[in-house]
Amino acid sequence: SYVLTQAPSMSVAPGETARIACGGNNIGSTTVHWYQQRPGQAPLLVISYDRDRASGIPERFSGSNSGNTATLTITNVEAGDEAIYYCQVWDSISDYYVFGIGTEVTVL
Amino acid sequence: QLQLQESGPRLVKPSETLSLTCTVSGVSMSTTKSYWGWIRQSPGKGLEWIGSIYYSGTTYYHPSFKSRVTISGDTSKNEFSLSLRSATAADSTVYYCVRHWGRAAEISHWGQGTLVTVSS
Repeated sequence: SYVLTQAPSMSVAPGETARIACGGNNIGSTTVHWYQQRPGQAPLLVISYDRDRASGIPERFSGSNSGNTATLTITNVEAGDEAIYYCQVWDSISDYYVFGIGTEVTVL
Repeated sequence: QLQLQESGPRLVKPSETLSLTCTVSGVSMSTTKSYWGWIRQSPGKGLEWIGSIYYSGTTYYHPSFKSRVTISGDTSKNEFSLSLRSATAADSTVYYCVRHWGRAAEISHWGQGTLVTVSS
């Protein structure tokens, strides 16, 4: 089955840029979706199809996907961006959704 | 605005069937060409897609659950359901009902989630 690799955690200072990586074998040949999950809440779609911002998501959030890494970038990080961020793909060989383990972003 | 709400027993006995229902509001399941599914989240395994049902009634399941899961829809009530047979303590976790446009598409809508505990 397809495996997505994410770092468990990262810290970033307010106003800085957070780059959240999602690794997978030739992930650039598939499409990646990203979700934000705040404590006690359901996940929320932030980026679909590698780079499309979901409705209501600030322009500070962007996505890219190439080679073996997809990246969610948050510029000018704010305290409210503290959350766990998950990447997701569809494993077309095994025929099911696969999620990364999530990266917990802490704003210092 | 589309909303999803899970309901069902929060406590299930081991070996029994875990059953949950998702009530859809804001759109009609029968006329919206969407997939309606279930995802669960546990500290050990993270987010796991269990399966989905297309508006036409076709179902798709994760291989790990295929032998003991059934997802069904009731368009007259605008709801769909999850049945997970032979529940064990490992099935104790938060369950979300979700909606996605395509079989491999993004999960556009999530319910608030419901915690189910399997215990005697």
